[in-house]
Amino acid sequence: AQTVTQSQPEMSVQEAETVTLSCTYDTSESDYYLFWYKQPPSRQMILVIRQEAYKQQNATENRFSVNFQKAAKSFSLKISDSQLGDAAMYFCAYRSGETSGSRLTFGEGTQLTVNP
Amino acid sequence: EPEVTQTPSHQVTQMGQEVILRCVPISNHLYFYWYRQILGQKVEFLVSFYNNEISEKSEIFDDQFSVERPDGSNFTLKIRSTKLEDSAMYFCASSERRIETQYFGPGTRLLVL
Repeated sequence: AQTVTQSQPEMSVQEAETVTLSCTYDTSESDYYLFWYKQPPSRQMILVIRQEAYKQQNATENRFSVNFQKAAKSFSLKISDSQLGDAAMYFCAYRSGETSGSRLTFGEGTQLTVNP
Repeated sequence: EPEVTQTPSHQVTQMGQEVILRCVPISNHLYFYWYRQILGQKVEFLVSFYNNEISEKSEIFDDQFSVERPDGSNFTLKIRSTKLEDSAMYFCASSERRIETQYFGPGTRLLVL
């Protein structure tokens, strides 16, 4: 079974600075998808960014980018020019691309605080 | 922009009662999911649903849970006899295809007393 690990329960960053959230995963599959979801205090799950494992290029979405290291099974999220609205719990998630299943497997989450 | 909606936003129930949580997925999506998140814990998969049947379920999704798509727009999760440990946030999600991104609703906060 696949597992996702986020080793940083909490992180903090100064407004306008850059922060990187870590995620590692364990899988024997070669085809899969990785995601970062954001959960603000409202507890809604909001997609931040998605990465297909077959793509070598790291995904970017405005101020959000990932560092995808397939061999190391690492998928970190970089937030540039941090804003107060970025404060939230961030979850890394894995989904198989090979099996008939479609479940998302989530990590434990990293609580990000943005200091003004 | 289309979004997944869920009702109610909050539900309080007595242990042993039945509850039905409702979701309206994004209209052109074909795959539907339920997840739950116990307070302070990670989000856990419950079940996925496609073509009017369960396509995958987790070990959490036991006989007290059921899902249904009663019409062309709603997708429901029923908990037959609630337990204290069912208290959690329940998220509905949908995706256009199996490999596509899952979009989440705002969640239903269920409290079992």
